[in-house]
Amino acid sequence: AQKVTQAQTEISVVEKEDVTLDCVYETRDTTYYLFWYKQPPSGELVFLIRRNSFDEQNEISGRYSWNFQKSTSSFNFTITASQVVDSAVYFCALNPGTYKYIFGTGTRLKVLA
Amino acid sequence: ETGVTQSPTHLIKTRGQQVTLRCSSQSGHNTVSWYQQALGQGPQFIFQYYREEENGRGNFPPRFSGLQFPNYSSELNVNALELDDSALYLCASSPGAELTEAFFGQGTRLTVV
Repeated sequence: AQKVTQAQTEISVVEKEDVTLDCVYETRDTTYYLFWYKQPPSGELVFLIRRNSFDEQNEISGRYSWNFQKSTSSFNFTITASQVVDSAVYFCALNPGTYKYIFGTGTRLKVLA
Repeated sequence: ETGVTQSPTHLIKTRGQQVTLRCSSQSGHNTVSWYQQALGQGPQFIFQYYREEENGRGNFPPRFSGLQFPNYSSELNVNALELDDSALYLCASSPGAELTEAFFGQGTRLTVV
């Protein structure tokens, strides 16, 4: 079965705190892609990152960083020094090399001023 | 902005009616995918069109149908609307059938009353 689990439904932090959003996935495929998308209130899904299954290097982009661990089937996302503009719903998604994404249920992040 | 535009942005229909949603893909992209996102849930794959042919379909009944035109824009048609069809419908544009990266429109919010 292919599945993405985001166990955190909602997280609230105070501005400048660090926050980690968890993502656990299931697939039997050896080649797959993992994604994070941000969904602001406007509704559009904004692409943040793509990782393929053969690249376990962690990645940092500004205040964002991602930790991919195949051993635990996790692809976690950390925002450092959070800002109010980071408030949104964040989705983790799996693409097992086919035509569709399998999304998790999302984590709503609220950053309070 | 992703260059993917959807119309209309909001729509209210009565149960039993039919609806057509439209999506213009990003320039150079030949693949369009449609997703349904119910309130508080992650997007669910409806189907994908690649070069005007349906390339894959999710677990949705036949009353959900689509088209892709020679310019790669697309339509999603839903017949015999049900209350549970109320959702945000997202269109994703990608340069190929394998979703190494997809760009989403802002969505059409459909309310069925």
